Amino acid sequence: EPEVTQTPSHQVTQMGQEVILRCVPISNHLYFYWYRQILGQKVEFLVSFYNNEISEKSEIFDDQFSVERPDGSNFTLKIRSTKLEDSAMYFCASSGSHTEAFFGQGTRLTVV
Amino acid sequence: DAKTTQPNSMESNEEEPVHLPCNHSTISGTDYIHWYRQLPSQGPEYVIHGLTSNVNNRMASLAIAEDRKSSTLILHRATLRDAAVYYCILTQYNFNKFYFGSGTKLNVKP
Repeated sequence: EPEVTQTPSHQVTQMGQEVILRCVPISNHLYFYWYRQILGQKVEFLVSFYNNEISEKSEIFDDQFSVERPDGSNFTLKIRSTKLEDSAMYFCASSGSHTEAFFGQGTRLTVV
Repeated sequence: DAKTTQPNSMESNEEEPVHLPCNHSTISGTDYIHWYRQLPSQGPEYVIHGLTSNVNNRMASLAIAEDRKSSTLILHRATLRDAAVYYCILTQYNFNKFYFGSGTKLNVKP
């Protein structure tokens, strides 16, 4: 069964450092998403990406965040200058046209 | 986005059916009803979705009220592996994003 793959599974970074979270969506999918889940809290929508541009973003997705699909297979989330409150599980997801979303297993980001 | 209301938690015995309710009284005509679940330490997993008619798949059934203001996810025979948080989510027709609420934490007893 096809799956969304995220790397790394766990990333520890120092406050103020840049971090890039990587995702390989399902190959024929058209829509890509990032979500995050702070420990013990709800899954929160960050951004959706379609046709090489952001289609929607939440208030959380400020100028510190950016997304990119650099090579037609990877989908990345960059946080420019990490803060302690960015510590969370980050989930990548992808979907086809009018189909359900498939989520990856997540990257646990710990900012120290 | 239209809001959904679910019980915080429910409990079931293994091998018995489970009915997980969801209220969505402000649903619009173009909102689809989705159910996802999140097993411990995993990403959300699609369960089922529907618009107006009841739906069945290998994982579950979705019963949608005639006025669409509520729906019920039915697990026909709960297993220990079904212990998870179940989310009822409304999305627009283009499925562009999902807003997760607090969901229902299902505990399955052996």
